[in-house]
Amino acid sequence: EADIYQTPRYLVIGTGKKITLECSQTMGHDKMYWYQQDPGMELHLIHYSYGVNSTEKGDLSSESTVSRIRTEHFPLTLESARPSHTSQYLCASSEDRGYEKLFFGSGTQLSVL
Amino acid sequence: QKEVEQNSGPLSVPEGAIASLNCTYSDRGSQSFFWYRQYSGKSPELIMSIYSNGDKEDGRFTAQLNKASQYVSLLIRDSQPSDSATYLCAVKRDQYMAGKSTFGDGTTLTVKP
Repeated sequence: EADIYQTPRYLVIGTGKKITLECSQTMGHDKMYWYQQDPGMELHLIHYSYGVNSTEKGDLSSESTVSRIRTEHFPLTLESARPSHTSQYLCASSEDRGYEKLFFGSGTQLSVL
Repeated sequence: QKEVEQNSGPLSVPEGAIASLNCTYSDRGSQSFFWYRQYSGKSPELIMSIYSNGDKEDGRFTAQLNKASQYVSLLIRDSQPSDSATYLCAVKRDQYMAGKSTFGDGTTLTVKP
């Protein structure tokens, strides 16, 4: 059973606000990821991490930033939210042994007004 | 051409029928192949992974891989209304960093009672 948690589940916020989306996993996975997904559209990787103090940008350019100070925690921050940031944000982690499998959190639906 | 293409949906089958979902990929060096199920408003859940040519069965699900033809398919036998969801195909060049897989757009399946 995968244990990866995202908060908040829904967030409605005004333009210009700074927001942090939280993601935590209790499985001890080194690798973690953030995706953006619009309704009916494919998943786009925006950030990933190999482990503590390691973060990389993904395939889709994003104005967000991430940090990885602890293995279990991988928060995503938007310094100044805009309506174009409205989307679903999914966090995931993958196990490190053998062929890897991906486990997703429940997602954060962000709406910027 | 997209790197991962899935058969256009939506796909509708009657309860008890076999649902066939197809996926083709362009990177001939791909080694890892995944099928995720995503219910509306929820996050993806891994249901099958396959790494070598042939069939892999898990309950009512069968994944089929043909690397020479560069396609991977998912068969769902005895389809149930609870199988109604969007199915995402994902492909990776190696077995590491599963989260960096390339995802297809998904095929939406509806199983009618």
